[in-house]
Amino acid sequence: QKEVEQDPGPLSVPEGAIVSLNCTYSNSAFQYFMWYRQYSRKGPELLMYTYSSGNKEDGRFTAQVDKSSKYISLFIRDSQPSDSATYLCAMVSGYGNKLVFGAGTILRVKS
Amino acid sequence: GAVVSQHPSWVICKSGTSVKIECRSLDFQATTMFWYRQFPKQSLMLMATSNEGSKATYEQGVEKDKFLINHASLTLSTLTVTSAHPEDSSFYICSASDGTSGFYTQYFGPGTRLTVL
Repeated sequence: QKEVEQDPGPLSVPEGAIVSLNCTYSNSAFQYFMWYRQYSRKGPELLMYTYSSGNKEDGRFTAQVDKSSKYISLFIRDSQPSDSATYLCAMVSGYGNKLVFGAGTILRVKS
Repeated sequence: GAVVSQHPSWVICKSGTSVKIECRSLDFQATTMFWYRQFPKQSLMLMATSNEGSKATYEQGVEKDKFLINHASLTLSTLTVTSAHPEDSSFYICSASDGTSGFYTQYFGPGTRLTVL
């Protein structure tokens, strides 16, 4: 079993839709949770990070962490064609600096 | 701020040759640099972690004699793929951490696509 599971998609939505991206994990030591956006043939770009459980909002993006269920989500409101990319979740334990990535979900926002 | 560059962005080489990839932090000092490998439609897999002036720490299953990492300064790390073979063809991405904005915060380079013929 992989430490981090993420549906690779692709997920195709119309412009303006609310997008929900999710990851599950098995290692209860993970405490920091990140979401990265990666455009084709580019390196990942950090979107948001969250410590422990709870919600964090930044503009159109909301990150949620439910440690009891080992489940994290990224919501994108009013999705735009420019949001089309691969979204990777990543997490790290409190005592290490090794990021463990999900496989990434391909998102396509159609205008 | 927090820009990381990689050079070259893509390289094609013949089987058996060696290829060097550079990773530079342009506007900050990178106390730690990481090297990842990404196959098509797969996630990033950490290959090794390097601290300036120290030997790199390789992940299990990564051949350290094949993937030579040097972190000679606080702004430069290099990955040399020695005696490259077609199965080494992949997207190699480095990241860098300045150690002050949270050890979990890594800034990624744009990646280098290696094709071995």
